[in-house]
Amino acid sequence: KAGVTQTPRYLIKTRGQQVTLSCSPISGHRSVSWYQQTPGQGLQFLFEYFSETQRNKGNFPGRFSGRQFSNSRSEMNVSTLELGDSALYLCASSLAPGSGTDTQYFGPGTRLTVL
Amino acid sequence: DAKTTQPNSMESNEEEPVHLPCNHSTISGTDYIHWYRQLPSQGPEYVIHGLTSNVNNRMASLAIAEDRKSSTLILHRATLRDAAVYYCILRDSGAGSYQLTFGKGTKLSVIP
Repeated sequence: KAGVTQTPRYLIKTRGQQVTLSCSPISGHRSVSWYQQTPGQGLQFLFEYFSETQRNKGNFPGRFSGRQFSNSRSEMNVSTLELGDSALYLCASSLAPGSGTDTQYFGPGTRLTVL
Repeated sequence: DAKTTQPNSMESNEEEPVHLPCNHSTISGTDYIHWYRQLPSQGPEYVIHGLTSNVNNRMASLAIAEDRKSSTLILHRATLRDAAVYYCILRDSGAGSYQLTFGKGTKLSVIP
């Protein structure tokens, strides 16, 4: 079974631009979560989608948004990019509705560099 | 989610057992203990989880203290591929959310 795929793997943008990252979950998984990883802040939760609905959102500004499609694929968008948005963006998928026993499967991430 | 405390770094010799500790003194009765690891240049990967009893799988063992205020991830024979950052995370079984709250984790170095 194919794992979580993320595209593109690397991206370079300039300040003020916007960017869209894509995530395809494992087949059959209906929940997708996004995380941002930076050297200073570590791994931080961005948002979570289940059945095309945002179920949870982390403490990030409104410039960060996302959506999920009917096939469970998800995209996240960052508008008006800032230098501090340079990070590894990770997508994770899960099979069942949230419980203490569910596990998340992470993709390899998209490395975003903002110049 | 309740907070966990882990050492910043640990070292192990190759082919020796490794015990990675995690303190979670404010754990609630509905919190599961999860471990993930992140190898260099990769996304995190699930390792193991447990509630009260010790757990084993092909990757590792999880030993949970009787009072559940601490746990230990055990790698029985460390290999160079086990060099990674290991995260101990508490998951509330009633949360209904997939959000994982990552701490700083423990960076494990494996010496050949």
